[in-house]
Amino acid sequence: DMQMTQSPSSVSASVGDTVSFTCRASQYISHYLHWYQQKPGKAPKLLINGASALRSGVPSRFSGSGSGTDFTLTITSLQPEDFATYYCQQSFIAPYTFGQGTKLEIK
Amino acid sequence: QVQLVESGGGVVQPGGSLRLSCAASGFSVSRSAMHWVRQAPGKGLEWVAIIRNDETNKYYSDSVRGRFTISRDNSKNTLYLQMNSLRPDDTAVYFCAKDLDDYGDYVFAYWGQGTLVTVSS
Repeated sequence: DMQMTQSPSSVSASVGDTVSFTCRASQYISHYLHWYQQKPGKAPKLLINGASALRSGVPSRFSGSGSGTDFTLTITSLQPEDFATYYCQQSFIAPYTFGQGTKLEIK
Repeated sequence: QVQLVESGGGVVQPGGSLRLSCAASGFSVSRSAMHWVRQAPGKGLEWVAIIRNDETNKYYSDSVRGRFTISRDNSKNTLYLQMNSLRPDDTAVYFCAKDLDDYGDYVFAYWGQGTLVTVSS
Protein backbone atom coordinates (compact mmCIF):
# COMPACT_ATOMS: atom_id res chain seq x y z
CA ASP A 1 0.00 0.00 0.00
CA MET A 2 1.02 3.58 -0.56
CA GLN A 3 2.39 5.07 2.66
CA MET A 4 1.99 8.76 3.39
CA THR A 5 4.40 10.09 6.01
CA GLN A 6 3.89 13.52 7.53
CA SER A 7 6.47 15.43 9.47
CA PRO A 8 6.67 16.68 12.04
CA SER A 9 3.96 14.86 13.98
CA SER A 10 3.44 17.99 16.03
CA VAL A 11 4.73 21.55 16.04
CA SER A 12 4.32 24.55 18.30
CA ALA A 13 4.13 28.03 16.87
CA SER A 14 2.90 31.50 17.72
CA VAL A 15 0.30 33.72 16.11
CA GLY A 16 1.95 35.53 13.23
CA ASP A 17 4.55 32.82 12.57
CA THR A 18 5.04 31.00 9.29
CA VAL A 19 5.03 27.20 9.45
CA SER A 20 5.56 24.44 6.92
CA PHE A 21 4.64 20.78 7.09
CA THR A 22 5.82 18.05 4.80
CA CYS A 23 4.15 14.96 3.39
CA ARG A 24 6.11 12.24 1.68
CA ALA A 25 4.62 9.47 -0.42
CA SER A 26 6.28 6.06 -0.53
CA GLN A 27 5.81 6.01 -4.33
CA TYR A 28 5.30 8.52 -7.11
CA ILE A 29 1.85 10.16 -6.95
CA SER A 30 2.26 13.06 -9.41
CA HIS A 31 0.14 15.94 -8.07
CA TYR A 32 -2.62 13.75 -6.59
CA LEU A 33 -2.08 15.10 -3.09
CA HIS A 34 -4.62 16.96 -0.98
CA TRP A 35 -4.51 18.74 2.38
CA TYR A 36 -7.21 18.79 5.06
CA GLN A 37 -7.58 20.68 8.31
CA GLN A 38 -9.35 19.10 11.27
CA LYS A 39 -10.27 20.74 14.55
CA PRO A 40 -11.15 18.71 17.65
CA GLY A 41 -14.59 17.12 17.42
CA LYS A 42 -15.13 18.40 13.90
CA ALA A 43 -15.04 16.96 10.42
CA PRO A 44 -11.99 17.50 8.24
CA LYS A 45 -12.07 20.41 5.81
CA LEU A 46 -10.48 20.31 2.38
CA LEU A 47 -7.97 23.15 2.06
CA ILE A 48 -5.91 22.32 -1.01
CA ASN A 49 -6.41 19.79 -3.79
CA GLY A 50 -4.08 18.74 -6.54
CA ALA A 51 -1.06 19.68 -4.42
CA SER A 52 -1.46 23.43 -4.89
CA ALA A 53 -5.04 24.42 -5.77
CA LEU A 54 -6.53 26.47 -2.95
CA ARG A 55 -10.19 25.72 -2.31
CA SER A 56 -12.65 28.57 -2.60
CA GLY A 57 -13.04 30.36 0.71
CA VAL A 58 -9.72 29.16 2.12
CA PRO A 59 -7.49 32.09 3.15
CA SER A 60 -4.56 32.87 0.89
CA ARG A 61 -2.12 32.42 3.80
CA PHE A 62 -2.42 28.68 3.06
CA SER A 63 -0.38 27.34 0.17
CA GLY A 64 0.70 23.96 -1.10
CA SER A 65 3.56 22.83 -3.27
CA GLY A 66 5.31 19.74 -4.50
CA SER A 67 4.99 16.95 -6.98
CA GLY A 68 6.04 13.35 -7.29
CA THR A 69 6.73 12.17 -3.75
CA ASP A 70 7.43 15.28 -1.67
CA PHE A 71 4.86 17.90 -0.76
CA THR A 72 4.65 20.91 1.53
CA LEU A 73 1.84 22.84 3.17
CA THR A 74 2.80 26.34 4.27
CA ILE A 75 0.80 28.69 6.45
CA THR A 76 2.00 32.28 6.67
CA SER A 77 1.01 34.74 9.38
CA LEU A 78 -0.64 32.13 11.60
CA GLN A 79 -4.04 33.04 12.99
CA PRO A 80 -5.64 31.63 16.16
CA GLU A 81 -8.14 29.63 14.10
CA ASP A 82 -5.32 27.81 12.26
CA PHE A 83 -4.35 25.70 15.27
CA ALA A 84 -5.58 22.27 14.29
CA THR A 85 -4.40 18.95 12.89
CA TYR A 86 -3.48 18.78 9.22
CA TYR A 87 -3.68 15.65 7.09
CA CYS A 88 -2.40 14.92 3.63
CA GLN A 89 -4.12 12.35 1.41
CA GLN A 90 -3.23 10.79 -1.92
CA SER A 91 -5.75 9.95 -4.65
CA PHE A 92 -3.28 8.41 -7.10
CA ILE A 93 -3.76 4.76 -6.28
CA ALA A 94 -5.96 2.60 -4.11
CA PRO A 95 -6.14 2.43 -1.15
CA TYR A 96 -6.49 6.21 -1.01
CA THR A 97 -4.45 6.77 2.09
CA PHE A 98 -4.04 9.63 4.50
CA GLY A 99 -0.97 10.64 6.40
CA GLN A 100 -0.97 10.31 10.16
CA GLY A 101 -1.40 14.05 10.65
CA THR A 102 0.58 17.02 11.93
CA LYS A 103 -0.81 18.73 15.01
CA LEU A 104 -0.22 22.47 15.08
CA GLU A 105 -0.29 23.79 18.62
CA ILE A 106 -0.05 27.24 20.10
CA LYS A 107 3.29 28.04 21.69
CA GLN B 1 -25.27 24.96 0.07
CA VAL B 2 -24.02 21.40 0.46
CA GLN B 3 -25.01 19.81 3.74
CA LEU B 4 -24.49 16.25 4.96
CA VAL B 5 -26.00 14.87 8.15
CA GLU B 6 -25.09 11.38 9.37
CA SER B 7 -27.13 9.27 11.75
CA GLY B 8 -27.45 5.68 12.90
CA GLY B 9 -24.35 5.27 15.01
CA GLY B 10 -24.39 3.58 18.39
CA VAL B 11 -23.08 0.72 20.44
CA VAL B 12 -23.20 -2.76 18.93
CA GLN B 13 -21.78 -6.11 19.99
CA PRO B 14 -19.06 -7.83 17.97
CA GLY B 15 -20.62 -9.72 15.09
CA GLY B 16 -23.59 -7.37 15.02
CA SER B 17 -24.94 -5.08 12.31
CA LEU B 18 -25.68 -1.39 11.97
CA ARG B 19 -26.88 0.85 9.17
CA LEU B 20 -25.62 4.39 8.89
CA SER B 21 -27.48 7.09 6.99
CA CYS B 22 -26.27 10.34 5.49
CA ALA B 23 -28.99 12.81 4.50
CA ALA B 24 -27.84 15.20 1.82
CA SER B 25 -29.12 18.63 0.87
CA GLY B 26 -28.04 21.30 -1.56
CA PHE B 27 -27.16 18.75 -4.25
CA SER B 28 -28.30 15.41 -5.63
CA VAL B 29 -26.58 12.22 -4.43
CA SER B 30 -27.70 10.54 -7.65
CA ARG B 31 -25.37 12.79 -9.63
CA SER B 32 -22.47 12.68 -7.21
CA ALA B 33 -19.73 10.34 -6.09
CA MET B 34 -20.10 9.74 -2.37
CA HIS B 35 -17.79 8.20 0.20
CA TRP B 36 -17.62 6.93 3.72
CA VAL B 37 -14.46 7.76 5.67
CA ARG B 38 -13.82 6.70 9.25
CA GLN B 39 -11.63 7.80 12.13
CA ALA B 40 -10.88 5.56 15.08
CA PRO B 41 -10.74 7.40 18.44
CA GLY B 42 -7.58 9.48 18.60
CA LYS B 43 -6.37 8.11 15.28
CA GLY B 44 -6.08 9.19 11.67
CA LEU B 45 -8.47 8.99 8.74
CA GLU B 46 -9.27 5.89 6.72
CA TRP B 47 -11.25 5.79 3.48
CA VAL B 48 -13.93 3.07 3.63
CA ALA B 49 -16.11 3.03 0.50
CA ILE B 50 -17.25 4.91 -2.59
CA ILE B 51 -20.39 4.84 -4.71
CA ARG B 52 -19.96 6.58 -8.02
CA ASN B 53 -22.62 8.66 -9.74
CA ASP B 54 -23.50 5.77 -12.07
CA GLU B 55 -24.23 3.68 -8.96
CA THR B 56 -22.95 0.48 -10.53
CA ASN B 57 -19.42 1.19 -9.44
CA LYS B 58 -18.85 0.66 -5.75
CA TYR B 59 -15.47 0.06 -4.16
CA TYR B 60 -14.35 -0.78 -0.67
CA SER B 61 -11.22 -0.79 1.41
CA ASP B 62 -9.71 -4.21 2.09
CA SER B 63 -10.60 -3.88 5.76
CA VAL B 64 -14.37 -3.77 5.12
CA ARG B 65 -14.86 -5.51 1.77
CA GLY B 66 -17.40 -8.33 2.08
CA ARG B 67 -18.82 -6.95 5.35
CA PHE B 68 -19.94 -3.40 4.47
CA THR B 69 -22.25 -2.28 1.66
CA ILE B 70 -22.62 1.28 0.39
CA SER B 71 -25.88 2.30 -1.25
CA ARG B 72 -28.14 5.27 -1.80
CA ASP B 73 -31.82 6.15 -2.09
CA ASN B 74 -32.19 8.82 -4.72
CA SER B 75 -35.79 9.58 -3.75
CA LYS B 76 -34.65 10.40 -0.20
CA ASN B 77 -31.35 11.95 -1.32
CA THR B 78 -29.65 9.77 1.26
CA LEU B 79 -26.47 7.69 1.36
CA TYR B 80 -26.21 4.52 3.44
CA LEU B 81 -23.59 2.21 4.87
CA GLN B 82 -24.76 -1.24 5.90
CA MET B 83 -22.21 -2.70 8.29
CA ASN B 84 -22.33 -6.42 9.09
CA SER B 85 -20.05 -8.73 11.07
CA LEU B 86 -18.77 -5.77 13.03
CA ARG B 87 -15.48 -6.07 14.87
CA PRO B 88 -13.99 -4.02 17.71
CA ASP B 89 -11.52 -2.45 15.27
CA ASP B 90 -14.48 -0.99 13.34
CA THR B 91 -15.02 1.37 16.27
CA ALA B 92 -14.74 4.87 14.82
CA VAL B 93 -16.48 8.06 13.87
CA TYR B 94 -17.92 7.50 10.42
CA PHE B 95 -18.10 10.49 8.08
CA CYS B 96 -19.92 10.68 4.78
CA ALA B 97 -18.24 12.86 2.20
CA LYS B 98 -19.03 14.24 -1.23
CA ASP B 99 -16.32 13.90 -3.85
CA LEU B 100 -14.91 16.96 -5.58
CA ASP B 101 -15.70 15.29 -8.91
CA ASP B 102 -19.10 13.83 -9.80
CA TYR B 103 -17.59 10.57 -11.06
CA GLY B 104 -15.18 10.26 -8.17
CA ASP B 105 -11.62 11.49 -7.85
CA TYR B 106 -11.25 10.41 -4.24
CA VAL B 107 -10.96 14.01 -3.10
CA PHE B 108 -13.26 14.62 -0.15
CA ALA B 109 -14.65 18.09 -0.71
CA TYR B 110 -17.61 18.18 1.71
CA TRP B 111 -18.04 16.28 4.95
CA GLY B 112 -20.79 15.54 7.40
CA GLN B 113 -20.30 15.93 11.15
CA GLY B 114 -19.82 12.21 11.68
CA THR B 115 -21.56 9.50 13.69
CA LEU B 116 -19.83 7.33 16.30
CA VAL B 117 -19.95 3.55 16.03
CA THR B 118 -18.71 1.59 19.03
CA VAL B 119 -18.27 -2.17 18.74
CA SER B 120 -17.98 -3.66 22.18
CA SER B 121 -19.38 -6.45 24.29
